[in-house]
Amino acid sequence: GENVEQHPSTLSVQEGDSAVIKCTYSDSASNYFPWYKQELGKRPQLIIDIRSNVGEKKDQRIAVTLNKTAKHFSLHITETQPEDSAVYFCAASSRDNAGNMLTFGGGTRLMVKP
Amino acid sequence: DAGITQSPRHKVTETGTPVTLRCHQTENHRYMYWYRQDPGHGLRLIHYSYGVKDTDKGEVSDGYSVSRSKTEDFLLTLESATSSQTSVYFCATMGDYLNEQFFGPGTRLTVL
Repeated sequence: GENVEQHPSTLSVQEGDSAVIKCTYSDSASNYFPWYKQELGKRPQLIIDIRSNVGEKKDQRIAVTLNKTAKHFSLHITETQPEDSAVYFCAASSRDNAGNMLTFGGGTRLMVKP
Repeated sequence: DAGITQSPRHKVTETGTPVTLRCHQTENHRYMYWYRQDPGHGLRLIHYSYGVKDTDKGEVSDGYSVSRSKTEDFLLTLESATSSQTSVYFCATMGDYLNEQFFGPGTRLTVL
């Protein structure tokens, strides 16, 4: 089955700096890569996703890049703000009868210091 | 929040007792999932459903069973709870033509 590794497990940055979180996956059949943000005590919420036919996707201050050959993808957050502090999860899946069987990374706790 | 509710939101129970968690959705989404979340492990899939009465096992299904008799409800049962099943349980749903999974608010289960 799919295996997703996520690094780093914790990341501390100064407000205004950039943050990068990296994930690797093992199943070359995976074709959908979402990123979820989870604030303390809340549910995970999708912040951005990318399909395997696209190398990069941006949405305001966040961007995701995908390298299919190397089987890794990354989340980039620019101009970080205190409200970006949360746990971020990457995931990988290939759509089949189950819809999207998401395999999640272990999570990255991002702390943005004012 | 895609109209997903979970009940109960918090539960404390004793080892060996049966426990049922309920996920209810109002979006008519075909796919439903149960995950557990533990520190350092992210979210791990327990069971999933791709339609009424159609369910299958996920990565960590041992000790859990599920049922889906209606589109809107997906039940997770721990037949005999163990301390290793202390966790936060999230339900998620997904529509037919979407890729995004929407998560419920979670249930914190403590097994003493």
